[in-house]
Amino acid sequence: GNSVTQMEGPVTLSEEAFLTINCTYTATGYPSLFWYVQYPGEGLQLLLKATKADDKGSNKGFEATYRKETTSFHLEKGSVQVSDSAVYFCALRSTGGGNKLTFGTGTQLKVEL
Amino acid sequence: DAGITQSPRYKITETGRQVTLMCHQTWSHSYMFWYRQDLGHGLRLIYYSAAADITDKGEVPDGYVVSRSKTENFPLTLESATRSQTSVYFCASSEGRRSYEQYFGPGTRLTVT
Repeated sequence: GNSVTQMEGPVTLSEEAFLTINCTYTATGYPSLFWYVQYPGEGLQLLLKATKADDKGSNKGFEATYRKETTSFHLEKGSVQVSDSAVYFCALRSTGGGNKLTFGTGTQLKVEL
Repeated sequence: DAGITQSPRYKITETGRQVTLMCHQTWSHSYMFWYRQDLGHGLRLIYYSAAADITDKGEVPDGYVVSRSKTENFPLTLESATRSQTSVYFCASSEGRRSYEQYFGPGTRLTVT
C-alpha cells in the first residue's frame, strides 16, 4: 500500500537558518506529492505540490523537488522565520487512488529568535 | 463567509454516548473527507464521499457512521463513543475534477471521558 515517512520532530532552528524536512514515500505508479502546513489551532493548508517527476513545487520561500529515483520530496527553505513555526505534513495522492491522500505523521518546526 | 466550517469546535462527552460532528462547505465541492489526527499517527482517513449519497470507508472507519444527503454537508457520527475516539477531527473538501487540492476545516477537538 501507499505510505509516507517523515523525519521526526520537533525540529528547532534559529531565525534565518536553513530548513530541510525529509520526506520519502512508497506508492505504485506516479503519485502526486504535497506539503501541507498546520499552524497552531488551525486546519491544514496546502503549502506546495508537484505532480510529476522532477517537478519543483514552491510557495512562500519553501521548495520541494519530486525525485522519483529516490522516492523523496524533501521540503527546504533558505531562511526560516519565527512565523514559520508550525507542523508540516508530507502527503501523496496515488494514481488510480481516487481523490484520497495518504499523510505522513507530521514534523513540528519551532523557530526561535 | 464562504469556506468549510465544523461544529462544534470543542466537545466533551461520556463513554457510550452518541455524538455527531458537523461539516459544511460552501464551494459545492464533490468530495468530502473526515480525518482524525492523533500524536504519532498524523492524519488518518475515516470516511470519504465522492458525491451526495456516495460514501466509502477510509483507513479507520470502525465505530463511525457518515451520511451525505446534501452536497454541502457531511456529518460524522460516533454511535457509541469510546475513549480511543478522543482525538481532533478534521473535515476536508475537494473539487475533484480540475483540482485535487483538499481544503480543511478548523477541526473539532473531541474528548471522551
